[in-house]
Amino acid sequence: KQEVTQIPAALSVPEGENLVLNCSFTDSAIYNLQWFRQDPGKGLTSLLLIQSSQREQTSGRLNASLDKSSGRSTLYIAASQPGDSATYLCAVRHSNAGNMLTFGGGTRLMVKP
Amino acid sequence: SAVISQKPSRDICQRGTSLTIQCQVDSQVTMMFWYRQQPGQSLTLIATANQGSEATYESGFVIDKFPISRPNLTFSTLTVSNMSPEDSSIYLCSVSPGGTDTQYFGPGTRLTVL
Repeated sequence: KQEVTQIPAALSVPEGENLVLNCSFTDSAIYNLQWFRQDPGKGLTSLLLIQSSQREQTSGRLNASLDKSSGRSTLYIAASQPGDSATYLCAVRHSNAGNMLTFGGGTRLMVKP
Repeated sequence: SAVISQKPSRDICQRGTSLTIQCQVDSQVTMMFWYRQQPGQSLTLIATANQGSEATYESGFVIDKFPISRPNLTFSTLTVSNMSPEDSSIYLCSVSPGGTDTQYFGPGTRLTVL
């Protein structure tokens, strides 16, 4: 059974810092990995999708990497801003599980002005 | 991409009653997914809904408790039946439109059961 873990569970940084969020998964037979952002009481916004054959994806100040063999992904946020404050979730889609996503517990990020 | 709307956005319900949540997508999709997010927890898949067939439920979820309808390719409903306070959660629907592997989520329905 796939298990997804995110560390740290919570993170507080001053504005402007670069930061890294970590995601690990136990079964490396994944189809893709997706990072989401969730604002309090809201739905999920897709940030980046990395296919199993890819090493990284970039969108603006966000960069996500994937090391499938070691079961790890990182989300790098450059020059953090207060508007980045949210919970960040990673989710893996297993190769044999159709479209089902297995989610990590999330990292709650607070960027202080 | 896909734009997904859910109704209601939130509700407060009494124990023993049922609530039906609607999910509307702006494009036709083969599969729609229903997730639950309990307070302080991450998301757990309840079931996958295909148009024209019975929904497929994940371990721990049953049709009698969470009946699902999928009358067409843009719409689905999830009913939370005979509610108890343990059903207090955010319920989210999700789709993965054809031609993309990205999964999109609706804004969620926040349910509180008293």
